[in-house]
Amino acid sequence: GAVVSQHPSRVICKSGTSVKIECRSLDFQATTMFWYRQFPKQSLMLMATSNEGSKATYEQGVEKDKFLINHASLTLSTLTVTSAHPEDSSFYICSAQDRTSNYGYTFGSGTRLTVV
Amino acid sequence: AQSVTQPDIHITVSEGASLELRCNYSYGATPYLFWYVQSPGQGLQLLLKYFSGDTLVQGIKGFEAEFKRSQSSFNLRKPSVHWSDAAEYFCAVGAPGGYQKVTFGTGTKLQVIP
Repeated sequence: GAVVSQHPSRVICKSGTSVKIECRSLDFQATTMFWYRQFPKQSLMLMATSNEGSKATYEQGVEKDKFLINHASLTLSTLTVTSAHPEDSSFYICSAQDRTSNYGYTFGSGTRLTVV
Repeated sequence: AQSVTQPDIHITVSEGASLELRCNYSYGATPYLFWYVQSPGQGLQLLLKYFSGDTLVQGIKGFEAEFKRSQSSFNLRKPSVHWSDAAEYFCAVGAPGGYQKVTFGTGTKLQVIP
C-alpha cells in the first residue's frame, strides 16, 4: 500500500534556529500533501496544503513566513520551522493522497519537535 | 464548513467486550468519512474509510463503521476489544473528490482493562 515517510521522527533544537521536516511519498506520486500540527492531547489541525510546483495554501492564523513549505517534486514536501520558539514545540504530521487508491489519505509517522 | 464531533473524550472497556465510538459530522452533502488510530507518540493509521456505496464499511484490525445519513453519524465498532486496541481514535470528514482537506474530530482515547 501507499507509504509516506516522514523524517526526522524527533528533533530538539535551540530557540532561534530553523528545523526542516521532510515528507516523502515512497511508492506513489503526490501532487498535494498536507501538513498538520497536533498539540498535546488535542486533535490535528491543518496548517497548510502543499502543492507540487506552486505555493502552499495556508490556513487562517498560520504564519507562512514562519512555516515555510516547499513541494519541489511529486514525492517530496518539506516544512521548515524558521526561528523556532518554545511555543512551536508540537507534533507535526504530513499526509498525502494516493490517487490510485481512490484518494485514501496516508499519513507519515510524525515529527516531535521540541524547542529549548 | 465541514466539522466533526466525537462526544466521548475517554472510554474504558474490558478486554473482550464490544466497543462503539461515536462520530457525528456536519457537511452539506455526502462527505468522505474516515477513522484513524494513533498510538502514543506515533503517526496516524487509517482504519477504514467511506466514500460511497455500502454503508457498512469493514476496516483493518476487525473494526467496522456504519454510515447513517439520517443521523449524520459514522460510528466505529468492534465486537471484541483486545488490549492492543488501546489508543486514540480520530474520526475525520473530507469533501468528496481528490485533494480536499480533511477535518478531524477531537479524538476519543480508548483504555482497555484486563
